[in-house]
Amino acid sequence: QAVVTQEPSLTVSPGGTVTLTCGSSTGAVTRTLNPCWFQQKPGQAPRTLIYDISNTHSWTPARFSGSLVGGKAALTLSGAQPEDEAEYYCLLSYLDGWVFGGGTKLTVL
Amino acid sequence: QVQLVESGGGVVQPGGSLRLSCAASGFTFNNYGMHWVRQAPGKGLEWVAFIRYDGAAKYYADSVKGRFTISRDNSKNTLSLQMNSLRADDTALYYCAKENPWDSWGQGTLVTVSS
Repeated sequence: QAVVTQEPSLTVSPGGTVTLTCGSSTGAVTRTLNPCWFQQKPGQAPRTLIYDISNTHSWTPARFSGSLVGGKAALTLSGAQPEDEAEYYCLLSYLDGWVFGGGTKLTVL
Repeated sequence: QVQLVESGGGVVQPGGSLRLSCAASGFTFNNYGMHWVRQAPGKGLEWVAFIRYDGAAKYYADSVKGRFTISRDNSKNTLSLQMNSLRADDTALYYCAKENPWDSWGQGTLVTVSS
């Protein structure tokens, strides 16, 4: 099965902007891979932020957005808040199954 | 409101078996595919298996193929995961989740494989 890559860690200042990316070993990430983004805080179940590249749920803070950039899926956080410090996972959907990225630990500092 | 509640976790010896369940409520269960996702202690998320809304299609991660079987009972709104030939690296918190748009996750049930 494919390998999905994410930055292991990133740091953003409060109020700042950061972009997390998600790449695929099979080539460019496209709409057909239905990229999703999940946020997980310690001791909690994952929470879905973004599905199908850029669609949000009712609970997704407006400061989070999803896109495709440079052959990768991207999650952009604009105006980071202390409560955004968490692990973020992307998920790609392939013909033979789904694959999570290794996660990005985002620090707000 | 949508609710997913996993059960069936526990401690099992290597080579043993365990059956996990996920009770669904608050939505029309037989309209949605369902996933199992696991997370080993201190590690990232790993997709495990998926079953289509009608049970007619199933997909598995290579790491569990041939050992795990996903199934569902739409009359009881229940998703299951039969886990055989368990290994130490199957130790994890197992979550069930509703298919795309992934709008609901359970809280997980812990499986520990240890002698």
